[in-house]
Amino acid sequence: GAVVSQHPSRVICKSGTSVKIECRSLDFQATTMFWYRQFPKQSLMLMATSNEGSKATYEQGVEKDKFLINHASLTLSTLTVTSAHPEDSSFYICSARGAAAYNEQFFGPGTRLTVL
Amino acid sequence: QKEVEQDPGPLSVPEGAIVSLNCTYSNSAFQYFMWYRQYSRKGPELLMYTYSSGNKEDGRFTAQVDKSSKYISLFIRDSQPSDSATYLCAMIQGGYQKVTFGIGTKLQVIP
Repeated sequence: GAVVSQHPSRVICKSGTSVKIECRSLDFQATTMFWYRQFPKQSLMLMATSNEGSKATYEQGVEKDKFLINHASLTLSTLTVTSAHPEDSSFYICSARGAAAYNEQFFGPGTRLTVL
Repeated sequence: QKEVEQDPGPLSVPEGAIVSLNCTYSNSAFQYFMWYRQYSRKGPELLMYTYSSGNKEDGRFTAQVDKSSKYISLFIRDSQPSDSATYLCAMIQGGYQKVTFGIGTKLQVIP
């Protein structure tokens, strides 16, 4: 299957700082990328969907000014958690979908964010 | 009622057992069904992808879809300790719609 990478895999930051997470599709062009959040013992919750070159579409209840998403190229999307607080601590996972396989999403390994 | 229901487990089985994992759903518009495996602190990995009702086999894994009952299953034959993970069912209406995930069933295969 297709490979999606995420960086960093783990980040610890102080409350009030901003954190950027990168998601890259390594061997295919991702026309759409998705950002999920997963709390312990809970399923993946979709935060937003981004198409290359367009503004992201956020799910209800997700603050777009807090979770900034940029999908500048067909292989890279970034999620910036601005002014992070302890309640933002979670496992953030991106996935990518190519134009050819419109239903298949390939997931990155996830980023563990801990806000102190 | 959640759109997708999945027993979170945990489910413990001895090595070599046949494992049955299940999900039910309420939205009859779902057309595509997936099973993902997620190891602890890792992203989900796509295992099986099915469209129509019936069975699809891939090695030790068999995915079963019954659209009339809104019920999907994943069977793992000759289970191995390396199969110990959380298994998430997922489904999509199609047409570039978003994926809806089950909560995941945690499986432990005991040597």
